[in-house]
Amino acid sequence: DAGVTQSPTHLIKTRGQQVTLRCSPKSGHDTVSWYQQALGQGPQFIFQYYEEEERQRGNFPDRFSGHQFPNYSSELNVNALLLGDSALYLCASRWWDRTNTEAFFGQGTRLTVV
Amino acid sequence: SQQGEEDPQALSIQEGENATMNCSYKTSINNLQWYRQNSGRGLVHLILIRSNEREKHSGRLRVTLDTSKKSSSLLITASRAADTASYFCATVPNSGGSNYKLTFGKGTLLTVNP
Repeated sequence: DAGVTQSPTHLIKTRGQQVTLRCSPKSGHDTVSWYQQALGQGPQFIFQYYEEEERQRGNFPDRFSGHQFPNYSSELNVNALLLGDSALYLCASRWWDRTNTEAFFGQGTRLTVV
Repeated sequence: SQQGEEDPQALSIQEGENATMNCSYKTSINNLQWYRQNSGRGLVHLILIRSNEREKHSGRLRVTLDTSKKSSSLLITASRAADTASYFCATVPNSGGSNYKLTFGKGTLLTVNP
């Protein structure tokens, strides 16, 4: 049973560019969330997708957008990259209607903006 | 913004000793979860404790929850070098099943010396 998979593992982009990160949820999960983790900090919630709609959003600017596909996989897009966007981006999946269960995380994408 | 605060920020112990980490949070919760992270990679779920539970065990892990003090503790008994990692607590708010976003603290860096 495959867990949560993210691609790519590492990415280097130039300031002002755009980036797309990808996530495949754990088999059977229908809800995907994205988190940003700066160095030395805990992860911060970006947004959550269910039934191909953004259901909840954290305190991130509109430069951060996402998408969920019919197979439940998801993309995170960041436009007009800033140096401060350098971080580990984590994807987590779960079942929408099971609040008292854990989220499963992928290994993350390390984004470096230069 | 970070809801939880882990204490201590860093902990160094010898193999075989017990490690205790504490977490405080600010708002009403549905559940609290502990995660482990090795070397800035993905998060591994350790244990989930619901708001109506006071203590939970899983192998060498013991978690307590005091909702009146809005605090939790994670005890790792008989620690091993392989337990070296960052440990995060994360809360799920008590505001409906769809409002599942994990709010993390900054984490405790545990080093277990052989």
